[in-house]
Amino acid sequence: QSALTQPASVSGSPGQSITISCTGTSNDIGGYNYVSWYQQHPGKAPKLMVSDVSNRPSGVSNRFSGSKSGNTASLTISGLQAEDESYYYCSSYTSNITVLFGGGTKLTVL
Amino acid sequence: EEQLLESGGGLVQPGGSLRLSCAASGLIFSSYAMTWVRQAPGKGLEWVSAISASGDRTYYTDSVKGRFTISRDNSRNTLYLQMNSLRAEDTAVYYCARNNGGYARGMDVWGQGTTVTVSS
Repeated sequence: QSALTQPASVSGSPGQSITISCTGTSNDIGGYNYVSWYQQHPGKAPKLMVSDVSNRPSGVSNRFSGSKSGNTASLTISGLQAEDESYYYCSSYTSNITVLFGGGTKLTVL
Repeated sequence: EEQLLESGGGLVQPGGSLRLSCAASGLIFSSYAMTWVRQAPGKGLEWVSAISASGDRTYYTDSVKGRFTISRDNSRNTLYLQMNSLRAEDTAVYYCARNNGGYARGMDVWGQGTTVTVSS
């Protein structure tokens, strides 16, 4: 099963907003509201930023928001800060009763 | 503080076996599904396997079916991953993670990872 499709990289200036897309199929993103987003700094464990498409865990900044339309999920980060520079991964439950990750997106804060 | 601590990684020859452990502390281990995720050097995250809170249901990605076995001991607050017939492509950092609900839900507590290297 192929990974969900994410852009390899995105960038933005401090204070701006960026959106990272995650495209799948009706067998994963489009079929279930079990999309999550993770932030991973190099050499560190991933951190859950959004679960169930748009739920933010306690302690995660409200600058992070998630959404879904059809087979594509999105993570939006508003008011970009230098500390947001990291790798971001989406994941989704699938009809194969597995979980699939995206290939990852490197966010650069200019 | 909720913590997960993996152990058991190391260098193993192709065809060999390893058993990874993940010790939980500061959380009600028996209430949550648990997952193993791996990350090959320089690559992205890959979901490997998950287990229900009670341990009666297990799930695997196709590439490890028949070779890896996930299990848990709720009396010891410990998750395991038995890895047999290891291949070079299994080389990765292996993370255990807690699901905030069923295994389809997000993973909200992660260990620091343990490194598995499969090489002759």
